[in-house]
Amino acid sequence: NAGVMQNPRHLVRRRGQEARLRCSPMKGHSHVYWYRQLPEEGLKFMVYLQKENIIDESGMPKERFSAEFPKEGPSILRIQQVVRGDSAAYFCASSPRTGGEGYTEAFFGQGTRLTVV
Amino acid sequence: GQNIDQPTEMTATEGAIVQINCTYQTSGFNGLFWYQQHAGEAPTFLSYNVLDGLEEKGRFSSFLSRSKGYSYLLLKELQMKDSASYLCAVRSRNAGKSTFGDGTTLTVKP
Repeated sequence: NAGVMQNPRHLVRRRGQEARLRCSPMKGHSHVYWYRQLPEEGLKFMVYLQKENIIDESGMPKERFSAEFPKEGPSILRIQQVVRGDSAAYFCASSPRTGGEGYTEAFFGQGTRLTVV
Repeated sequence: GQNIDQPTEMTATEGAIVQINCTYQTSGFNGLFWYQQHAGEAPTFLSYNVLDGLEEKGRFSSFLSRSKGYSYLLLKELQMKDSASYLCAVRSRNAGKSTFGDGTTLTVKP
């Protein structure tokens, strides 16, 4: 959905460098989700954030990966000391609230395709 | 935890009907989503089911049986542009995240 903006669309990093992926949710959305997708595979949940809070990071690798969603500005997924296995498409999705009352579909951004060389 | 299964690949003919199944096991169910994803693009929302039964939306319908942990996506009057990956996703109760299956790659042939 064009409303969720991710940048960059493509990112090439050498092994050992840092990758910073940005996601601006749709206007009015305060919930952000990050997913990773390897070629020919489904989306794997990484982390769920609300403004200034990490709600669920159960899918996030314990080392090298971190995420934030500050009060102002986009959500950032940061990968330190990248390795070739980090090469994947990283999708961000946003929703206005959780599914506690009624449903809220998640709108996805176009993704950032990270290539580690 | 959650476990979601769907067929890896399916092939169908233009103009035909195809049914893509999804079975799931979850501790706390709060809705099932179907998304369509074309190669290299973002997933786009197709349907949502939280109660048992059939939800129809144009050429696409989605069915849910909570007691069986089963859903299907039905695509009618297939068009070539329907060739894509179809992702089944289950939302957990009291959690905002959805867990996705690995997707079913549908190929529509003339």
